Parts: sequence; structure tokens; C-alpha cells
Amino acid sequence: NAGVTQTPKFQVLKTGQSMTLQCAQDMNHNSMYWYRQDPGMGLRLIYYSASEGTTDKGEVPNGYNVSRLNKREFSLRLESAAPSQTSVYFCASSAGLRDTQYFGPGTRLTVL
Amino acid sequence: AQRVTQPEKLLSVFKGAPVELKCNYSYSGSPELFWYVQYSRQRLQLLLRHISRESIKGFTADLNKGETSFHLKKPFAQEEDSAMYYCALRQAGGTSYGKLTFGQGTILTVHP
Repeated sequence: NAGVTQTPKFQVLKTGQSMTLQCAQDMNHNSMYWYRQDPGMGLRLIYYSASEGTTDKGEVPNGYNVSRLNKREFSLRLESAAPSQTSVYFCASSAGLRDTQYFGPGTRLTVL
Repeated sequence: AQRVTQPEKLLSVFKGAPVELKCNYSYSGSPELFWYVQYSRQRLQLLLRHISRESIKGFTADLNKGETSFHLKKPFAQEEDSAMYYCALRQAGGTSYGKLTFGQGTILTVHP
């Protein structure tokens, strides 16, 4: 039972490149989330998916897109990476929106 | 919009000393408040929530609606308490239903 897994763990991109961060959970959770963690800013919600088939914007959605591929998987895509997107990205899942969120190990992304 | 403020970016105490991590919030409705912890090289995890009114690893937190605070306390700090602590608020209803808003985080260091 791995919980929430994220790939890759580290990534370096050049400005303008695109990439997709992958997230999967094996807890049969309905809700999934993407956050970014920046020094002095805490964690900020980028997008979330309340249930399979739905996605909604969070606090800082600009520059990102998401796909809820199925109940297990929720991916985050950067179409044209910018240095301002250098951050640590966390995926989380919960049984429902009102339930405890379980976090993945994070992806450290650097955009040069 | 809701906001969570953790005024201390860094907090250092000696082993056996009391510790208090401050958290203040602004929210017009009835919030749900949480403390999350991230130990070195581990995932972010839920430490406690105000509705449970429980003590986890010796930590307690009381919601003070009059002062809009949810400070985390422990009477005798241990070295293994060294970690990053985040206070978070969840809105009970409205358009931000279910979403967590995190504070900036406090790095607690407990010296031997």
C-alpha cells in the first residue's frame, strides 16, 4: 500500500519546455489535489479534483493544466515552463473534500 | 477570503522546554483548523485537528474564536519534534468548500 506516489522526484527544465507531473493513489480516494510549496508562502492549491471526471481551479492555477485520468491518477502539466514555476509540487488525496488529505513525497522542479 | 498567518518563520527551543507555535486566521464563517507536520525527508502529514480535541505526540491546540487563533502547544519539547509545522484552515461551505488554506509554515528546532 504505497499511498500517494509522485513521479518524477526531481526535474530540471529550461524556460519554455513542457512537462507533466504524475500522481497516483491506491487508497480508492475520490478527491485529489495539486499544491506548490514555496519558501515563505506555505502550500498553495493549484488545482483539485473533487471526484473522477471533475477538476477545479485552486488559488494559483495560471500556467498549469490538470487531467483526472481515472480515479487513481491526477496529472499536472506545465505547457511552457517559466522560472516562477520553480517550486516543490505536492499531490494529495482524500476520501472526500471534507476528509483528511494524504500527501505524496513531492517533486522538486527547477526551471532555468 | 480566508487567510492563515504563522508569524514565526523559525522557532528554536531547548529539549524539555515548553513550545508554542502561533497560528492566527481570518475567516468570516465557522472554520475547521488543522496542524500539519513535515519531518525531515518525510511527507507532510496531519498532526491534529481542532474538532478532535485530542493530544497527538504531546501536542494540543485549542481554537480560540475570539482571538481567531489556533496555537499549537507542547509542555516539554523533544528533539524528534524538530520539523516544519503548517497551520491550515478549511472552509465549511461556499465556493471554497473543502479546500485547505495553509499558513507560511514554522520551522521548529529543538536543541539537545
